[in-house]
Amino acid sequence: RKEVEQDPGPFNVPEGATVAFNCTYSNSASQSFFWYRQDCRKEPKLLMSVYSSGNEDGRFTAQLNRASQYISLLIRDSKLSDSATYLCVVNVQAGTASKLTFGTGTRLQVTL
Amino acid sequence: DAGITQSPRHKVTETGTPVTLRCHQTENHRYMYWYRQDPGHGLRLIHYSYGVKDTDKGEVSDGYSVSRSKTEDFLLTLESATSSQTSVYFCAISEYGQDYEQYFGPGTRLTVT
Repeated sequence: RKEVEQDPGPFNVPEGATVAFNCTYSNSASQSFFWYRQDCRKEPKLLMSVYSSGNEDGRFTAQLNRASQYISLLIRDSKLSDSATYLCVVNVQAGTASKLTFGTGTRLQVTL
Repeated sequence: DAGITQSPRHKVTETGTPVTLRCHQTENHRYMYWYRQDPGHGLRLIHYSYGVKDTDKGEVSDGYSVSRSKTEDFLLTLESATSSQTSVYFCAISEYGQDYEQYFGPGTRLTVT
């Protein structure tokens, strides 16, 4: 099983729609969770951290479900500019070290 | 945007030649990372640094070496480039450690022919 799994998509949604992505992780000891956004041929950019209580930033809401080991990202009122690949990132313990593990991403295409 | 630059941004090289990629930051962050990104794979960690002259291997370190002689610079060297090292390479920085937010440079697109 992959350490971090995402549906690759693409998710094709009309402008104004609400869309949600899930990401599952395998390490129950994971403590740090993030969503990054990556535009085509560009670097990943931090979208938001994911906190245990859930958090919201404008049209974006992130949730963490530790029992089922998944995190989610909800985008409301989608804009054309939201078209991108969304990367789920989770820290994974490896012995005494810990590192961030990146999912392969979910592609979102918002259309008129 | 975090002050991170990478050079070169694009490079084409031949199999067997050494290649050095440079990452430069102006944020004075302690931690620096080199990743590669390939289709079908998430970003994979090559090497990282937790201070000047302090480096460690990541999950795909074979064929790569790194050096960090100054806080602001982190170099990645492909000792003898192979076609399997054709990839996009990203440098990242973080202030507090590997479990915290990382900020990425613009990437270097490397082609090994």
